[in-house]
Amino acid sequence: AQSVTQLGSHVSVSEGALVLLRCNYSSSVPPYLFWYVQYPNQGLQLLLKYTTGATLVKGINGFEAEFKKSETSFHLTKPSAHMSDAAEYFCAVTYTGTASKLTFGTGTRLQVTL
Amino acid sequence: EAGVAQSPRYKIIEKRQSVAFWCNPISGHATLYWYQQILGQGPKLLIQFQNNGVVDDSQLPKDRFSAERLKGVDSTLKIQPAKLEDSAVYLCASSFSYEGQETQYFGPGTRLLVL
Repeated sequence: AQSVTQLGSHVSVSEGALVLLRCNYSSSVPPYLFWYVQYPNQGLQLLLKYTTGATLVKGINGFEAEFKKSETSFHLTKPSAHMSDAAEYFCAVTYTGTASKLTFGTGTRLQVTL
Repeated sequence: EAGVAQSPRYKIIEKRQSVAFWCNPISGHATLYWYQQILGQGPKLLIQFQNNGVVDDSQLPKDRFSAERLKGVDSTLKIQPAKLEDSAVYLCASSFSYEGQETQYFGPGTRLLVL
C-alpha cells in the first residue's frame, strides 16, 4: 500500500525566508512523487514531480524538491518566500505499477507574513 | 492549451436532493478522474475512466454516486440522493501517458454544500 505523510498542517514563514514543507512516503515499490499547489477556490496545479533520474527536481515558481530514498522523503523547498506563495500544498505518490493512481497527503497550508 | 473545465463552480442543495457535475477534459487526454476533497483533507479518488471505460471505481459509493463518460470525452458525476457528508469540492482531472509517464491536470472544482 502507498501513502504520504505531510508533517505540519500549517506552516508560517516571513517573506524572504526559507520555505520547507515536509513529505514522507510509504511505498513498497519505487515511487513517483508529486507536489501540487492549490490556491483558494482553484484546482490543483502541478509544481514538480519525480519519476526517475536526478533526485533534485526543480519546479515552477522557484520551488524544488529532493527525493531521498534512504529517508523516504520528498521535502519541498524554496529559498525565499513570496507573499504569492501562500496556498495549500499537497504531496502525492503513485508507483510504477499504476502510474495514474495518486494518493494525496492531507496538505500543508503555507502562510507568508511580512 | 485550454485546461480542464468544470461546471457549476458552486452548488447548494438540501439533503436527499440530486445533483450533477460536468467535466470537460483537456483535448486528447484519454484518462479522466473524479476526486472528492473534503475540507481539510487531500483529494480522494472516486473514479477513473480510460476513454469511456471505467478503470477504477473502488472508492465510489455506488449506492448514491454514479458517473459516466460518454464518447470518451466529457464526463458527468451524479449524486442521488445527497447526504450532509457529501459536502466537499469535487475535482476533475485528466491525463495522458507518454513513455510510461503520466501527469494529471486538474480543473477548478465544484464546491458542493449539502444543507
